[in-house]
Amino acid sequence: GAGVSQSPRYKVAKRGQDVALRCDPISGHVSLFWYQQALGQGPEFLTYFQNEAQLDKSGLPSDRFFAERPEGSVSTLKIQRTQQEDSAVYLCASSNPMDRSSYNSPLHFGNGTRLTVT
Amino acid sequence: KQEVTQIPAALSVPEGENLVLNCSFTDSAIYNLQWFRQDPGKGLTSLLLIQSSQREQTSGRLNASLDKSSGRSTLYIAASQPGDSATYLCAFYGGSQGNLIFGKGTKLSVKP
Repeated sequence: GAGVSQSPRYKVAKRGQDVALRCDPISGHVSLFWYQQALGQGPEFLTYFQNEAQLDKSGLPSDRFFAERPEGSVSTLKIQRTQQEDSAVYLCASSNPMDRSSYNSPLHFGNGTRLTVT
Repeated sequence: KQEVTQIPAALSVPEGENLVLNCSFTDSAIYNLQWFRQDPGKGLTSLLLIQSSQREQTSGRLNASLDKSSGRSTLYIAASQPGDSATYLCAFYGGSQGNLIFGKGTKLSVKP
């Protein structure tokens, strides 16, 4: 596709519900990142994939958060038993595989999923 | 803990002014520093990426500089336009790959 696509665009969940957020990265992008952005704050790193391998999940705030990328393309971020503090925009980004090191590749972000937990 | 600070938090200028946005970071051992633009309700658009061995990057009316020794980066916008109104975020890659650390951003408003 032309860019990173995220769905749903908006999600309202009652406290305690499970949610699943989807990210379709740019076709062929090896690296995929998830970030959480609270209102008025900068994005905070959650987790990073290279192909299907989850290389860093140090930013996941609790064991209620789980991310996967089973075939190395589409990724899903799942939040179990949602809490009000989970309300935020969840951003997905991917980067160009042609660069030798992903940290020197500009990230391409999706428009995010705004999660509101009531 | 590595931190990124952006000053000012908000800025309002008349159209046509040149302006400077500031970013400071606590860890000089960075791989690169990036500037992003975020429009309301949207994701982030990468504007400029400065690798650790570089001092500056330019794209059109934008110029970003990097001084690792002082832990500072600036984004210079020349001849500002109303379409430049957005939040500008700086971020750097720290010690672990994938861990892009962001500032809170500067919200810019350019008045026609």
